[in-house]
Amino acid sequence: DGGITQSPKYLFRKEGQNVTLSCEQNLNHDAMYWYRQDPGQGLRLIYYSQIVNDFQKGDIAEGYSVSREKKESFPLTVTSAQKNPTAFYLCASKTGNTEAFFGQGTRLTVV
Amino acid sequence: SQKIEQNSEALNIQEGKTATLTCNYTNYSPAYLQWYRQDPGRGPVFLLLIRENEKEKRKERLKVTFDTTLKQSLFHITASQPADSATYLCALKGHNTDKLIFGTGTRLQVFP
Repeated sequence: DGGITQSPKYLFRKEGQNVTLSCEQNLNHDAMYWYRQDPGQGLRLIYYSQIVNDFQKGDIAEGYSVSREKKESFPLTVTSAQKNPTAFYLCASKTGNTEAFFGQGTRLTVV
Repeated sequence: SQKIEQNSEALNIQEGKTATLTCNYTNYSPAYLQWYRQDPGRGPVFLLLIRENEKEKRKERLKVTFDTTLKQSLFHITASQPADSATYLCALKGHNTDKLIFGTGTRLQVFP
């Protein structure tokens, strides 16, 4: 089955720690995205990538980093510089002028 | 800066009525606009896409209109059902870019 997979579903981070969220797709999509969603809010774009080895900052990139070494994978690292990382993180992919497909999300909590 | 606004207050309607949700944008020239449905704790699911040169799109009980002069899209659900209760998000994509930005979402509650 084709799809987009995020892991883990729940993640706990200690203060000052970096954590990496995984996003893998087997849809052969060119573009991939990371969004952050806070309670009762919409999706805010963190980073996106249109092709392998290239990515652009979204509206709230500070404190986050990404890589796109393979077409299928677009991991997001939440660094210690992100002061308020507790949120629901969503990864998406698409190709051409079509709809985006989303993963099931990772809920990150700082403890 | 680019901004997409949707009604922040929840929309409560009775079953069988038509729900109408609004998406307004500023400082943007979108190639197309999309509507998604999101259930609690899950990723959004695509519903409809409308291009800049289209005025209206329909799919079953759903209808989307797009007015690039007013910079507004309206999303209608006719004969609404309790199962339509969810948050609905609009998203815009510009020309010559894959950047896809979302609105704040509107929560729809359909009661029997």
